[in-house]
Amino acid sequence: EVQLVESGGGLVKPGESLRLSCAASGFSFNNAWMSWVRQGPGKGLEWIGLIKSESDGGTTVYAAPVKGRFSISRDDSENTVYLQMNSLKTEDTAVYYCSTYDSYFFDFWGQGSLVTVSS
Amino acid sequence: DIQMTQSPSSVSASVGDRVTITCRASQGISSWLAWYQQKPGKAPKLLIYAASSLQSGAPSRFSGSGSGTDFTLTISSLQPEDFATYFCQQANSFPVTFGGGTKVEIK
Repeated sequence: EVQLVESGGGLVKPGESLRLSCAASGFSFNNAWMSWVRQGPGKGLEWIGLIKSESDGGTTVYAAPVKGRFSISRDDSENTVYLQMNSLKTEDTAVYYCSTYDSYFFDFWGQGSLVTVSS
Repeated sequence: DIQMTQSPSSVSASVGDRVTITCRASQGISSWLAWYQQKPGKAPKLLIYAASSLQSGAPSRFSGSGSGTDFTLTISSLQPEDFATYFCQQANSFPVTFGGGTKVEIK
């Protein structure tokens, strides 16, 4: 059974940093492209970025609103993908989901981790 | 960026009704489109990918059609567990973008 479990969310002040983790199991993580998607309170889904498998170069792609502030990394030995968020803004308040990105679609999702940015 | 526009934003329907949701892309995306179902407090769930392929485990009452710029998600006979919000997503190019969502409510 595929499982994705996010952790690390919480309440931070504007300008602060936070790192989310997503622990994966039940599939071949090292071959998977992984992505992060967020959803603001009462809002729709917003793609943040993705990281390719190491065999596909391990490169990252980001959405414009987070480029330069957020970074995605992975540790295949731990089956974990990370989202490092710096210079957080109030508009980054959202539930953050990690997902597998298979053939350009998000086929499995974690339960989400709430990040609240407020002074 | 490719803009995805869903309509309607909400629809009221009864159990057994046929429900159709549309998604329009601001430019052609071939068949690079997916549909997701999201229930309150839960993660989205992939229903349809590549415009018309049913994801493993998704009920057969869900179907997708379209290509280019205009796409449709159809629920052939609405069931109580189908009351949820549905999102489309384009996978033609980065950045990946989603539609604004369609909430299917009980009539």
